[in-house]
Amino acid sequence: GQNIDQPTEMTATEGAIVQINCTYQTSGFNGLFWYQQHAGEAPTFLSYNVLDGLEEKGRFSSFLSRSKGYSYLLLKELQMKDSASYLCAVKESNYQLIWGAGTKLIIKP
Amino acid sequence: ETGVTQTPRHLVMGMTNKKSLKCEQHLGHNAMYWYKQSAKKPLELMFVYNFKEQTENNSVPSRFSPECPNSSHLFLHLHTLQPEDSALYLCASSHGTGDYNEQFFGPGTRLTVL
Repeated sequence: GQNIDQPTEMTATEGAIVQINCTYQTSGFNGLFWYQQHAGEAPTFLSYNVLDGLEEKGRFSSFLSRSKGYSYLLLKELQMKDSASYLCAVKESNYQLIWGAGTKLIIKP
Repeated sequence: ETGVTQTPRHLVMGMTNKKSLKCEQHLGHNAMYWYKQSAKKPLELMFVYNFKEQTENNSVPSRFSPECPNSSHLFLHLHTLQPEDSALYLCASSHGTGDYNEQFFGPGTRLTVL
């Protein structure tokens, strides 16, 4: 069946680095997305991976291993504004997006 | 501002009421989506429209009725809802529905059913 797992909550310190993991079991694979959602706001796009490897975009990087059904989002030089939920989503072979429940990231000074 | 607007932002309704949620996108996209987001649960895809045609209906109860009059507007008509339907309803749009089609989300309508 379809399943996307990510930790429910993580805590990190301002200025540090945090890695949010996502594992998936889906019907086919047409790419993996990471979105950020601040409380009470719309999810916003962060990254897209369809090939294995690391995609770097400023302070944020996303990694994919299709053979392992695994991805992570790496956030560097954490800022207080990075406190949010981070959603992992996989596009299946029918092009539907399957979503994880999200990881709530708490940044402490 | 993502280019996707939703009204109302908050809605409280009784189980016998009829109401509608509205979504509008100003991005020139061809695909629009309705999602339900409940606390600590994954986003649930409800409906997908591509070029005004409904392409997905993920076993959504008939008390939710979508309408897509054109590629820029999407409605969700609600009637005889249940308290468990209380959630955040998100609208999204994308250029198409293929591989890489980033979805742009509206701010959502927080629905409470009494």
